[in-house]
Amino acid sequence: SQQGEEDPQALSIQEGENATMNCSYKTSINNLQWYRQNSGRGLVHLILIRSNEREKHSGRLRVTLDTSKKSSSLLITASRAADTASYFCAPFGGYQKVTFGTGTKLQVIP
Amino acid sequence: KAGVTQTPRYLIKTRGQQVTLSCSPISGHRSVSWYQQTPGQGLQFLFEYFSETQRNKGNFPGRFSGRQFSNSRSEMNVSTLELGDSALYLCASSPLPGQGANTEAFFGQGTRLTVV
Repeated sequence: SQQGEEDPQALSIQEGENATMNCSYKTSINNLQWYRQNSGRGLVHLILIRSNEREKHSGRLRVTLDTSKKSSSLLITASRAADTASYFCAPFGGYQKVTFGTGTKLQVIP
Repeated sequence: KAGVTQTPRYLIKTRGQQVTLSCSPISGHRSVSWYQQTPGQGLQFLFEYFSETQRNKGNFPGRFSGRQFSNSRSEMNVSTLELGDSALYLCASSPLPGQGANTEAFFGQGTRLTVV
């Protein structure tokens, strides 16, 4: 199976600051995806980065991928209170089942 | 395009009862995966269905079962409910099994099950 492990477990920053969270995984992947979950809700897909990509941007989100280190990072720039949520990474490879880590809980303080 | 629809959104059941949850994937998606989310255990994979066949299964007891219909809609059933089954149950749909071939998996809003 494929499982992502997010780090840190929790992060608290002031509005306007940047937030960086990391993800590590163990096996080879086709792509890695990041999701956001607001309290008690479903997961919202944020961004997909393919294994042959090193960096990808989407609005205020920047994702990097280092397949040699089996790690990825998600940077949220100029954070807003609305970014308060849990963030999960999901490594996808072949047709294996995907499991998620416990996520990074981000709190943005207004 | 309609998103992933899970019903019901909230459910309260008594210990020992059984429950059935439903997930309608995005039109055209044939893979449906189920996850259980609890505060202590995080998101845990239950099983995945593709074209009416279970392709993968997580480490859950046999009380947890599922099925998929020819229209790709999926149901999961939990029998003999225990207090520890209280959780948010999420389903995800994707065009292909295992979310391979660089396609996103899209999640529903979940069903919040409370066992009392």
